[in-house]
Amino acid sequence: EPEVTQTPSHQVTQMGQEVILRCVPISNHLYFYWYRQILGQKVEFLVSFYNNEISEKSEIFDDQFSVERPDGSNFTLKIRSTKLEDSAMYFCASSGYRVNSYEQYFGPGTRLTVT
Amino acid sequence: DAKTTQPTSMDCAEGRAANLPCNHSTISGNEYVYWYRQIHSQGPQYIIHGLKNNETNEMASLIITEDRKSSTLILPHATLRVTAVYYCTGGYGQNFVFGPGTRLSVLP
Repeated sequence: EPEVTQTPSHQVTQMGQEVILRCVPISNHLYFYWYRQILGQKVEFLVSFYNNEISEKSEIFDDQFSVERPDGSNFTLKIRSTKLEDSAMYFCASSGYRVNSYEQYFGPGTRLTVT
Repeated sequence: DAKTTQPTSMDCAEGRAANLPCNHSTISGNEYVYWYRQIHSQGPQYIIHGLKNNETNEMASLIITEDRKSSTLILPHATLRVTAVYYCTGGYGQNFVFGPGTRLSVLP
């Protein structure tokens, strides 16, 4: 069964450093998403991406964040200058297209630790 | 997206059906009801979704009330493996809003 994959599974970085989290969505899907979950808290939406552009973003997704689909398979989340509060699990998700029905399939997540 | 409310936690005996309720009284006519679960720190897992009619798949059944203000997720014959946090959310699917969900504990 096709699945979303994410690398790395765990990333440790120092405050102020740039990180890139990588995702390979399910191959025939058209919509891509990033969510994050701070330890012990809710899963929070960050951004959705369709047709090579951001379709929606939350207030969390500020200028420090960017997304890119550099080729036909990868979908990346970049954090330019990490802060301690960016420490969280980051989940990538993808969905196909069916009118008014977009069930999302999530990857296993990348645990980002900012020290 | 529709605001949803769910009980904080529920217990279910192993082998029995687990019935998880969700209120989504603000859901609009075209918004689907989606259910997901999260086992420990894994990524949320899609379970089922529906609009008006009851739905069933290999994982669960979804019963939506006629006024669409609430729904119930039914897990038949619960096993220890389905112990997880269950999220009900409504929307068009572009950006799911996950609340705190229901923590389901399946007890042996």
